[in-house]
Amino acid sequence: GAVVSQHPSRVICKSGTSVKIECRSLDFQATTMFWYRQFPKQSLMLMATSNEGSKATYEQGVEKDKFLINHASLTLSTLTVTSAHPEDSSFYICSASDFYGYTFGSGTRLTVV
Amino acid sequence: GENVEQHPSTLSVQEGDSAVIKCTYSDSASNYFPWYKQELGKGPQLIIDIRSNVGEKKDQRIAVTLNKTAKHFSLHITETQPEDSAVYFCAANQAAGNKLTFGGGTRVLVKP
Repeated sequence: GAVVSQHPSRVICKSGTSVKIECRSLDFQATTMFWYRQFPKQSLMLMATSNEGSKATYEQGVEKDKFLINHASLTLSTLTVTSAHPEDSSFYICSASDFYGYTFGSGTRLTVV
Repeated sequence: GENVEQHPSTLSVQEGDSAVIKCTYSDSASNYFPWYKQELGKGPQLIIDIRSNVGEKKDQRIAVTLNKTAKHFSLHITETQPEDSAVYFCAANQAAGNKLTFGGGTRVLVKP
């Protein structure tokens, strides 16, 4: 089946620094990639949608300058959390879609100290 | 946009019993309805999905039913086992934008 690889699985960074999270579709070309944020015991909240070679579309309330998304190829998307603060600590999950459906990565636990 | 409601939020069942989770959606143009299982600290894993041209789909102990007229769909797990304990999410696609909208999740606990 379709596999999406997300790295790193866990990252701890200091307040004010930037962190990059990678999302790769391993065995298929993703028409679209999505980035979600999930708080403890809550559902997935869509942050942005990205298509290869074009600018990401951000959901209302998501700061595009803080959460930079790059979608350089049909198999790779990155999310960079810039100038991270403790309130950015969360579980970030990517998803890649093709004709058959949506496949999720294993998530990244970001802790900002 | 799409709105997906999921019930119950928590469900405790005895091992061997059945579990049923129900979802409703608002966008009549939605045509794809996946169910995901999420274990602690991991990403969601697709367990079953259904498209709007089908009313029911089954895969071993898991089944999903869809009522397009009423705009609701349900997940049925039979002969539950302790390893079925997890959080389950339903979702529906938005025809515009290719996005998935998720329900609030159901925490299922299967007691041995």
